[in-house]
Amino acid sequence: GAVVSQHPSRVICKSGTSVKIECRSLDFQATTMFWYRQFPKKSLMLMATSNEGSKATYEQGVEKDKFLINHASLTLSTLTVTSAHPEDSSFYICSARDVGQGTYEQYFGPGTRLTVT
Amino acid sequence: QKEVEQNSGPLSVPEGAIASLNCTYSDRGSQSFFWYRQYSGKSPELIMSIYSNGDKEDGRFTAQLNKASQYVSLLIRDSQPSDSATYLCAGEAGGTSYGKLTFGQGTILTVHP
Repeated sequence: GAVVSQHPSRVICKSGTSVKIECRSLDFQATTMFWYRQFPKKSLMLMATSNEGSKATYEQGVEKDKFLINHASLTLSTLTVTSAHPEDSSFYICSARDVGQGTYEQYFGPGTRLTVT
Repeated sequence: QKEVEQNSGPLSVPEGAIASLNCTYSDRGSQSFFWYRQYSGKSPELIMSIYSNGDKEDGRFTAQLNKASQYVSLLIRDSQPSDSATYLCAGEAGGTSYGKLTFGQGTILTVHP
């Protein structure tokens, strides 16, 4: 399957600071990427759809000014958690689809575990 | 609200047995369905996709889709302890929600030696 990477894998930051998470498709181009968050023992919750060259589409209840998404190239999307607070601590995971394969399969990055102190 | 529901767990089976995981969905517009495996502390890993009614087999895994009943299942034959994980069923919405996956709550599978 297609390979998606994320960086960093783990980050600890202080309350009030901002954190940027990168999501890269390594062996394919992705016009669309998706950002999820997952709390312990819970399922994945879609936060937003990242579209290359245009604004991201956020799910209901997700603050677009707090979770800034930039999809500047066909292989890179970034999620910036601004003014982070302890309640933002979570597992953030991106996914992308290799449309060149002609399938609808989405592949996930390894995730970024964010801890806000 | 469009939902995906998985059969309640956790599910425990002995090594070598068949594990059966079930999922129902409410969005009749969904056309594509996926099973992901997630180990503790890791991100989901795609193990099966299915788009048409019927069965799809890949090694020890068989996915079944019945669109009339809005039902998706995953069978794992000859279960191994390494199959112990949380299994997530996901449906992809159609129309304007193209590409978005809705996940079930997951079923924890334990395969004991």
